[in-house]
Amino acid sequence: LAKITQPISMDSYEGQEVNITCSHNNIATNDYITWYQQFPSQGPRFIIQGYKTKVTNEVASLFIPADRKSSTLSLPRVSLSDTAVYYCLVGDGGNNNAGNMLTFGGGTRLMVKP
Amino acid sequence: EADIYQTPRYLVIGTGKKITLECSQTMGHDKMYWYQQDPGMELHLIHYSYGVNSTEKGDLSSESTVSRIRTEHFPLTLESARPSHTSQYLCAISDRNTDTQYFGPGTRLTVL
Repeated sequence: LAKITQPISMDSYEGQEVNITCSHNNIATNDYITWYQQFPSQGPRFIIQGYKTKVTNEVASLFIPADRKSSTLSLPRVSLSDTAVYYCLVGDGGNNNAGNMLTFGGGTRLMVKP
Repeated sequence: EADIYQTPRYLVIGTGKKITLECSQTMGHDKMYWYQQDPGMELHLIHYSYGVNSTEKGDLSSESTVSRIRTEHFPLTLESARPSHTSQYLCAISDRNTDTQYFGPGTRLTVL
């Protein structure tokens, strides 16, 4: 299983862009990189998933360099409601019958201040 | 997103009781998972299932057991609850097309 390392916490201010980097040095060829957001007492919520280069959706962008040993979640213009824990996950994309084993990192606690 | 239901949402019980946490989904997904998360800590996979009659242990040892008799249900059972079982238990499914995991709301268990 891939070892995940991400910052324990980050502070930001409303309106700023936030970049959270995750390292996954021993990522496997079949592994996808997925980011989740979790509010207290709730289950994690899917944000974005990618395999390589750049992926963008309506809430975030995910940047993955060519060696795929790290990834950066970018949140544009954060608001107070973006205060949460953000998890970087690496796991098999599931293109086989052996299930989809994911490794959770410790999560990054983002605090957005007014 | 998938519809995943967990009951109860909150449970406070005494030591030694047998409990079953329910997880159900309505979309017919084959892959289901149970995670355990202590307050403020990371999630740990404790059980998973690829489909009916398939169950496996995750990377964190757990005294709980699971069953998968029907696709829709993946209950988790503790035969004799102890205070060390106090935690949040999260159920998840994998979307068969994207393999993205979607989580239920969780059950917060407190064992006195």
